[in-house]
Amino acid sequence: EAQVTQNPRYLITVTGKKLTVTCSQNMNHEYMSWYRQDPGLGLRQIYYSMNVEVTDKGDVPEGYKVSRKEKRNFPLILESPSPNQTSLYFCASSRGGGENEQYFGPGTRLTVT
Amino acid sequence: AQSVTQLGSHVSVSEGALVLLRCNYSSSVPPYLFWYVQYPNQGLQLLLKYTSAATLVKGINGFEAEFKKSETSFHLTKPSAHMSDAAEYFCAVSEGQAGTALIFGKGTTLSVSS
Repeated sequence: EAQVTQNPRYLITVTGKKLTVTCSQNMNHEYMSWYRQDPGLGLRQIYYSMNVEVTDKGDVPEGYKVSRKEKRNFPLILESPSPNQTSLYFCASSRGGGENEQYFGPGTRLTVT
Repeated sequence: AQSVTQLGSHVSVSEGALVLLRCNYSSSVPPYLFWYVQYPNQGLQLLLKYTSAATLVKGINGFEAEFKKSETSFHLTKPSAHMSDAAEYFCAVSEGQAGTALIFGKGTTLSVSS
């Protein structure tokens, strides 16, 4: 089954404790992206990657890091999480190109206390 | 820069009634437009997309949307609402031909009453 998986689905952590949210896709997609969803704000892009070893900032990159060492994986790293990073995070992938839809993972709900 | 405006953060309809969710976009180039649906505790699922092939686009679950360039709109409709349509709906425009990002509207929550 074609899918994007994320782990963990739920995470509660404390300020400053480094964490990684994993994302993996099995569709051989070149493009991958991370979004955060906040009430009343819709989804906003954090980082994206057009291919292996190629990443770039989205609209809200502060406080986040990513890496793309393999085509299928695109982890999101919060080196020193803060309460304002409490949010619902989605990973997405696509074949690239504006006309192609993005496939979304199930989401990771992060709470930073 | 591209942007999307969804009019109405919350829409309520009765089962069997017409569903109309409004979306207006701003884009300096011919846009690629998408509607996604998000059911509670789930990710986003594509309903339909416009890629310039046809102005009336049919999607899954009986939804359709019409691209109107003169009105810069891409409203989502369904003739007869079902209880299972209750969800949050997002309109999005693809940023640039390379598709480096989806620019989302703030979303519209659809409630369906019996």
